Amino acid sequence: DSGVTQTPKHLITATGQRVTLRCSPRSGDLSVYWYQQSLDQGLQFLIQYYNGEERAKGNILERFSAQQFPDLHSELNLSSLELGDSALYFCASSVAAGATDTQYFGPGTRLTVL
Amino acid sequence: QKEVEQDPGPLSVPEGAIVSLNCTYSNSAFQYFMWYRQYSRKGPELLMYTYSSGNKEDGRFTAQVDKSSKYISLFIRDSQPSDSATYLCAMNTYQGAQKLVFGQGTRLTINP
Repeated sequence: DSGVTQTPKHLITATGQRVTLRCSPRSGDLSVYWYQQSLDQGLQFLIQYYNGEERAKGNILERFSAQQFPDLHSELNLSSLELGDSALYFCASSVAAGATDTQYFGPGTRLTVL
Repeated sequence: QKEVEQDPGPLSVPEGAIVSLNCTYSNSAFQYFMWYRQYSRKGPELLMYTYSSGNKEDGRFTAQVDKSSKYISLFIRDSQPSDSATYLCAMNTYQGAQKLVFGQGTRLTINP
């Protein structure tokens, strides 16, 4: 168990809908990262927050947004969902934002868009 | 062409064999190299981390980086059934943030 929690574990929804994925980092970790894992694209970095501020952006669609709250938990919002958004979404956390800070991954949320 | 290429396998070997997993990359700015292990229905976990060219050993695992060839490897000695998992290489340039770029992952099965 990495200490990173994600809810829900599974989510099934329809195209055009909006969902929110939640992540609680390990105690004491200030950085939160979001990743998308699909069969065709593999594991892709979406976005990073550090102590409430956006730190880095990857291949995140404009329909997706995220935030990190004062208690350091983070939410990833996915809107106008398409079939291709079906994937595993992972959250990871690290103590800070340094080059060698280990990222600890949560168990993921499996999103299915029908 | 992807920045990081990794043979997805699957790779199946007998228990006790030496396993070699490899990735190639195209971005010469990558400075930090990692190997993650992902068990089925779990999140990835960091196995090994290296910064410079050369070898790094940790128990049965050895990570190797050859920056001149843009090639990294992970060797597993005395492989065990519990090593059966997907192994992902990852790397980043680190310009103030860890924007990891992952390989596709190699699915490895160790047969008892």
